[in-house]
Amino acid sequence: QQQVKQSPQSLIVQKGGISIINCAYENTAFDYFPWYQQFPGKGPALLIAIRPDVSEKKEGRFTISFNKSAKQFSLHIMDSQPGDSATYFCAATANNDMRFGAGTRLTVKP
Amino acid sequence: GAVVSQHPSRVICKSGTSVKIECRSLDFQATTMFWYRQFPKQSLMLMATSNEGSKATYEQGVEKDKFLINHASLTLSTLTVTSAHPEDSSFYICSARQAGARGHTQYFGPGTRLTVL
Repeated sequence: QQQVKQSPQSLIVQKGGISIINCAYENTAFDYFPWYQQFPGKGPALLIAIRPDVSEKKEGRFTISFNKSAKQFSLHIMDSQPGDSATYFCAATANNDMRFGAGTRLTVKP
Repeated sequence: GAVVSQHPSRVICKSGTSVKIECRSLDFQATTMFWYRQFPKQSLMLMATSNEGSKATYEQGVEKDKFLINHASLTLSTLTVTSAHPEDSSFYICSARQAGARGHTQYFGPGTRLTVL
């Protein structure tokens, strides 16, 4: 049973556009929500993370929006670039337990 | 900061042999390390959680006698795949959580590609 549901599975965006990836969770014990970026053949790299006590966090072109009541959170990549093409994973953590979404393969076309 | 290394980056072995993968936190101490397995185009699946100086906690369905984990120090954890078979071929990734860190942030290693012939 997947504890974190991520969509879409794949996403194609034109250069300069906005990429939006959505995640939803059920377990209210989750209290930390990171996003990871993974390039082929590499380990995931922490991109940005948020706690449920804030509704939005922005770091450069990357923004997390968090809706605690709906148990949903999303990643927005502004001004998407071809170099952003990668697989993105959302995750949710409670204590030592981190659960990942299924991943979104983002392709940014030049 | 927060760099995690893995060695080797890729390994090819014959069926029936054992393979050891090392995971090191280079610039911080990690009381907890995690081992994941990732099949092509799939998400990361947690295999086990390793705490320094104690036995690893394995996820349901992961054979602890096949995937031996040792976390001998605050900077090193090893995963040994014993009697490897072709179905064990996968991308193995470790992560480490900084000792005393609040926020559950895990830093991932670059992964090890295991191919069992």
